[in-house]
Amino acid sequence: EAGVTQSPTHLIKTRGQQATLRCSPISGHTSVYWYQQALGLGLQFLLWYDEGEERNRGNFPPRFSGRQFPNYSSELNVNALELEDSALYLCASSSGQSASSYNSPLHFGNGTRLTVT
Amino acid sequence: AQSVTQPDIHITVSEGASLELRCNYSYGATPYLFWYVQSPGQGLQLLLKYFSGDTLVQGIKGFEAEFKRSQSSFNLRKPSVHWSDAAEYFCAVGAKGYSTLTFGKGTMLLVSP
Repeated sequence: EAGVTQSPTHLIKTRGQQATLRCSPISGHTSVYWYQQALGLGLQFLLWYDEGEERNRGNFPPRFSGRQFPNYSSELNVNALELEDSALYLCASSSGQSASSYNSPLHFGNGTRLTVT
Repeated sequence: AQSVTQPDIHITVSEGASLELRCNYSYGATPYLFWYVQSPGQGLQLLLKYFSGDTLVQGIKGFEAEFKRSQSSFNLRKPSVHWSDAAEYFCAVGAKGYSTLTFGKGTMLLVSP
């Protein structure tokens, strides 16, 4: 089966611009999670979408937003980019309604490397 | 709130030697515990998971982990490391019905010849 796919692989933006990152989950998975992996900070939870609805968000400002489409793919938007937004953004999917589902743990994509200059 | 501590930022192990990566968690109820591995330029791959039952869990690639409730630990082990094991390893904690996983900051494993 195809894994979680993310695009683009790399994205370079300047401060103040907007970035759009895309994620296609594994077929049959309805939940999509977004994580930010900044250098030295590990993975920080950003957003969780399930069945087209935002179910939970992490401790990030409102300029981080997204949506989930009817085909369960998802988009992460980051407005008014700041230098500290430079990071690897990872998308994960699962078929359970919880990241802790035993039978459906998180499956991660390879990420989008966002660089803000 | 949940938290995960991986005390070692970097570890260097000789090829063929044994490996133990440390993970300590903080959570009030019964945790669900995970180890993920991230190779350069890749996403995270699940190595193993613990939900309940036998406290020694076997995973892929010859890895195992032991849940010790009294020490709030879930250390990852491998008896003999291969050069291809060089990667970053993340411990994560969740719980029943909890919508997200909390990750540690990772341990970078370097394998020397």
